[in-house]
Amino acid sequence: DARVTQTPRHKVTEMGQEVTMRCQPILGHNTVFWYRQTMMQGLELLAYFRNRAPLDDSGMPKDRFSAEMPDATLATLKIQPSEPRDSAVYFCASALSGGSYEQYFGPGTRLTVT
Amino acid sequence: AQSVTQLGSHVSVSEGALVLLRCNYSSSVPPYLFWYVQYPNQGLQLLLKYTSAATLVKGINGFEAEFKKSETSFHLTKPSAHMSDAAEYFCAVSENQGAQKLVFGQGTRLTINP
Repeated sequence: DARVTQTPRHKVTEMGQEVTMRCQPILGHNTVFWYRQTMMQGLELLAYFRNRAPLDDSGMPKDRFSAEMPDATLATLKIQPSEPRDSAVYFCASALSGGSYEQYFGPGTRLTVT
Repeated sequence: AQSVTQLGSHVSVSEGALVLLRCNYSSSVPPYLFWYVQYPNQGLQLLLKYTSAATLVKGINGFEAEFKKSETSFHLTKPSAHMSDAAEYFCAVSENQGAQKLVFGQGTRLTINP
């Protein structure tokens, strides 16, 4: 069945390194969301795209985070340089605009920055 | 701005007992409301949604929720808890009907006692 996929599922890296997380939305979905989940802050919306164009990235630290959609089947979230406070689970979700607004979540990327 | 409050960060019930997870929302426009479930090390999965049709909404796994406009509530219930219901549950409200952004509550961890 159709699912959102995310790679890698787990990533351990050292402070200062670049991290790239990838997401493949459900085929045909034109809206992609990036979330971060931590115990302290819960689920936070970082950015989202519609038809590959960024609509809102106000939740994202601009100095180190960047999000792109090189094509309709791939969304990327990059952190450069990474810091220990970036340790979290990052989720991608996709949706179909004009539909009933539910979002379909991927399994997440668990990032640990040491 | 829309917001969601989930009363009780942790709820514990016995197997076979009624499950009641509380959610109150704030919205300046008629909302779309959602309940999601998250099992350990997984992404969020849609349980059910309210999109201005019937006020009593039935979802997967025997869950249902009732939209009460006068109380600005959307509580989640299940008549008889099963061990497999142990998970974290999130209530969410659409920020507005065009943007498809969701505002999530802080989550309620449900524990089932044998």
